Amino acid sequence: EIVLTQSPGTLSLSPGERAFLSCRASQSFDSNYLAWYQQKPGQAPRLLIYGASSRATGIPDKFSGSGSGTDFTLTISRLEPEDFAVYYCQQYGSSLTFGGGTKVEIK
Amino acid sequence: EVQLVESGGGLVQPGRSLRLSCAASGFTFHNYAMHWVRQAPGKGLEWVSSIGWNSGSIGYADSVKGRFTISRDNAKTSLYLQMNSLSAEDTAFYYCTRSNGGYLFYYMDVWGKGTTVTVSS
Repeated sequence: EIVLTQSPGTLSLSPGERAFLSCRASQSFDSNYLAWYQQKPGQAPRLLIYGASSRATGIPDKFSGSGSGTDFTLTISRLEPEDFAVYYCQQYGSSLTFGGGTKVEIK
Repeated sequence: EVQLVESGGGLVQPGRSLRLSCAASGFTFHNYAMHWVRQAPGKGLEWVSSIGWNSGSIGYADSVKGRFTISRDNAKTSLYLQMNSLSAEDTAFYYCTRSNGGYLFYYMDVWGKGTTVTVSS
């Protein structure tokens, strides 16, 4: 089973700052089959990024994904109040696994 | 509007069974693989099970293998999860999700609002 480790566990930032969220896999998997989701309190997760770097429909370009192999990054260019949430990575190259999540909180 | 609506959650005693349902609408259900994902209180997301578009391919997380059974009825555009031998560790919010396409293991582009399962005596 591929284990995804997200870091940091919590990221404290101010609105307007840039956020870098890391997702590291225990082994590489095919074709950068990695997705990112955003979850706000009391809501279901929402797909942000798939294929490591492709934005889902309706996702603003302040969200970008990068990486390959075992190291992936979600970047939020300028944090707005609605971006403070928990973010999960998920690999689908070998079965399905989720990372433990990174909480982006207001500093 | 593309929609997934889960039902069937509730309070159940350890060792008992429960069946979750997910009603899909707004898209051609039989073209898509489907999944169940759960989230324990205050915890992260955990993949539970997946089923291919024609039920020909199925996968389970090790934590539920042998106890849970996923199924679907394309005529009724519905997804199911039969959960047996439930334990406290199964207490979670259960989400029905859609795969982006027919692949069994893929990213999830549509999520339901979820249903709560509480296992307690």
